[in-house]
Amino acid sequence: SAVISQKPSRDICQRGTSLTIQCQVDSQVTMMFWYRQQPGQSLTLIATANQGSEATYESGFVIDKFPISRPNLTFSTLTVSNMSPEDSSIYLCSVEGGVRQASYNEQFFGPGTRLTVL
Amino acid sequence: TQLLEQSPQFLSIQEGENLTVYCNSSSVFSSLQWYRQEPGEGPVLLVTVVTGGEVKKLKRLTFQFGDARKDSSLHITAAQPGDTGLYLCAGEPLVNFNKFYFGSGTKLNVKP
Repeated sequence: SAVISQKPSRDICQRGTSLTIQCQVDSQVTMMFWYRQQPGQSLTLIATANQGSEATYESGFVIDKFPISRPNLTFSTLTVSNMSPEDSSIYLCSVEGGVRQASYNEQFFGPGTRLTVL
Repeated sequence: TQLLEQSPQFLSIQEGENLTVYCNSSSVFSSLQWYRQEPGEGPVLLVTVVTGGEVKKLKRLTFQFGDARKDSSLHITAAQPGDTGLYLCAGEPLVNFNKFYFGSGTKLNVKP
């Protein structure tokens, strides 16, 4: 499985500002994903980030609010723009680990970034 | 609406008891995964089930994939306080490969 790190681990931000979250993987991966999670609740997929192409956003999430970069196969960033208290959440990145010679994939997660917006 | 429904949402039991968590859908999945998440950490993959009817065991945890690949269950025998956490199922749909949909989660508390 891949080792994934995220920065920052937590932050407290003011309304109207932006925060960029970094995700670093210890191996090259094709697909990276960004999720949002309210504490103790399930995960909601924000977008899929592929290297060399625009991120694909899920319904309810737009590029202006959550711009994503994917400059290489080991790194991605998610920016939460013009934040409001409703953006307070845990943001998680994950990578897909295709199982060799298998017909399915597995996901591995970073530790998450806990964001509080005042 | 959630593609994958988990039940129960909350479970508080005594150490030594058994429990089962269910993950149900009307969709067919090419694979289904179970994760455990502890506070302040990301979800950790426990198991992936792929074949309809498949049963996998991980020490005191038994995972089953439904014959039609639409549902799954997680059974814990003789639960321990270390099993406390948020359990999540996630499915990779047949028609939307490489995308994972998560269940609503089951928060388990095992009291010593």
